[in-house]
Amino acid sequence: NAGVTQTPKFQVLKTGQSMTLQCAQDMNHEYMSWYRQDPGMGLRLIHYSVGAGITDQGEVPNGYNVSRSTTEDFPLRLLSAAPSQTSVYFCASSYSPGAGANVLTFGAGSRLTVL
Amino acid sequence: GNSVTQMEGPVTLSEEAFLTINCTYTATGYPSLFWYVQYPGEGLQLLLKATKADDKGSNKGFEATYRKETTSFHLEKGSVQVSDSAVYFCALKGVRYSGGGADGLTFGKGTHLIIQP
Repeated sequence: NAGVTQTPKFQVLKTGQSMTLQCAQDMNHEYMSWYRQDPGMGLRLIHYSVGAGITDQGEVPNGYNVSRSTTEDFPLRLLSAAPSQTSVYFCASSYSPGAGANVLTFGAGSRLTVL
Repeated sequence: GNSVTQMEGPVTLSEEAFLTINCTYTATGYPSLFWYVQYPGEGLQLLLKATKADDKGSNKGFEATYRKETTSFHLEKGSVQVSDSAVYFCALKGVRYSGGGADGLTFGKGTHLIIQP
C-alpha cells in the first residue's frame, strides 16, 4: 500500500521555468490537496479538490495551477517559477471531504528551489 | 476565521524529561482537534486527535485533552526519548470551512522539539 506518492523529491529551477509536481494516491480518497511549508509559516493550503473534475483555491493559490482528471492523481503546476516559490510542497488526501474528524494522509514532500 | 497558536521553539529537552507543547485555538462551534508529527525528511503523520470537549487523544505515550473552556489542546508526554525529536503541528477541523479548503483543516506553525541524550 503506497499511500500518497510525490515526485520529484528534489528539484532546482531557474526563474521563469515551468514544472509539474506529481501526486498520486492509491487509497480511493475523494479529497486531495497541496500545501506549502515555509519556515515560521507552518503549512499553507495552495489548492484542493473534492473529487475528479472539481478543484478550488486555498489560501495561497497565485502562481499555481491544478487539475483532477482522475481520482488518483492531483498534479501541481508552476507556470513561471519565482524565487518566492522556493519551499517544501506536500500533497495530502483524505477519504471524504468534510466527514467528521477526517484524517489527512501526507506524502513525503517535494523540495523545490528556484534560483 | 479559524486559527491555531502554538509555541514555535525550538524546544530542547533532555531524555526522560516531561514534555508540554501548548496549543490554543480560535474557532466557531465545536471543532475537531489534531496533533500531527513530522520526523526529519518525512511528511506529516497523525499523532492523535479528539473530536469533542473533554475527549483525550493518546498515542505512543503522548496525550492531549480537548479543553473547550480554555480553547486548548496541549500535547504532553511523561518521559521523552531521542526518537521523539521532530516538528509537532497542532491543527483543527472547523465546523465552517475557513482557510482550510473543504476539509477545513487549519494548522499551527509547528513546534520543533529536540531531545538530547
